Amino acid sequence: AQKVTQAQTEISVVEKEDVTLDCVYETRDTTYYLFWYKQPPSGELVFLIRRNSFDEQNEISGRYSWNFQKSTSSFNFTITASQVVDSAVYFCALSEKDNQGGKLIFGQGTELSVKP
Amino acid sequence: DAGVTQSPTHLIKTRGQQVTLRCSPKSGHDTVSWYQQALGQGPQFIFQYYEEEERQRGNFPDRFSGHQFPNYSSELNVNALLLGDSALYLCASSPYGQVYYYYEQYFGPGTRLTVT
Repeated sequence: AQKVTQAQTEISVVEKEDVTLDCVYETRDTTYYLFWYKQPPSGELVFLIRRNSFDEQNEISGRYSWNFQKSTSSFNFTITASQVVDSAVYFCALSEKDNQGGKLIFGQGTELSVKP
Repeated sequence: DAGVTQSPTHLIKTRGQQVTLRCSPKSGHDTVSWYQQALGQGPQFIFQYYEEEERQRGNFPDRFSGHQFPNYSSELNVNALLLGDSALYLCASSPYGQVYYYYEQYFGPGTRLTVT
């Protein structure tokens, strides 16, 4: 069964701290994509990053970086030097190739609060 | 370039009534998905429309139905509203209906439905 788990419900940091958001997933499919979305108070989900199941190379994009490890089924997301504007709910999501419609399976979300 | 738009922004209905929510996809996108997000939860997939047909459906009762028009816009209808239907309803669009599991979906701001 497909499942995404974000064990951290809420995280609070002080501005300029680094913060890592955890994500663990379950899937039987061998081909899948993992996503991170941000949901600010306005409600609109904003796409941040995407990683496919065949590419475990970790990357950095500006203040964002991610660590994808198939061996532990984890796809963690790090914000470096956090800013107040990073305050939002962050969702990890899974999309499987066998699931031809491309539906996204979301975790419960992690609410990040960055204090000045 | 307009993003995904949804109407109305907020809606209050009484238990047992029917409601219609509307969505216009991002320009150039032909696939529309609907998600329900209860308070404090991650979005749950309702169904997806492509070429005016329901392509995939999540675990939602038949009270939830939809439609896609030739211009790719879509409606979500919910009959016999229950208190538990109170949620944020998100519409997402993606391009190229034939190839979809790896495309990021673009979300609208959502419609906040309150059932009293």
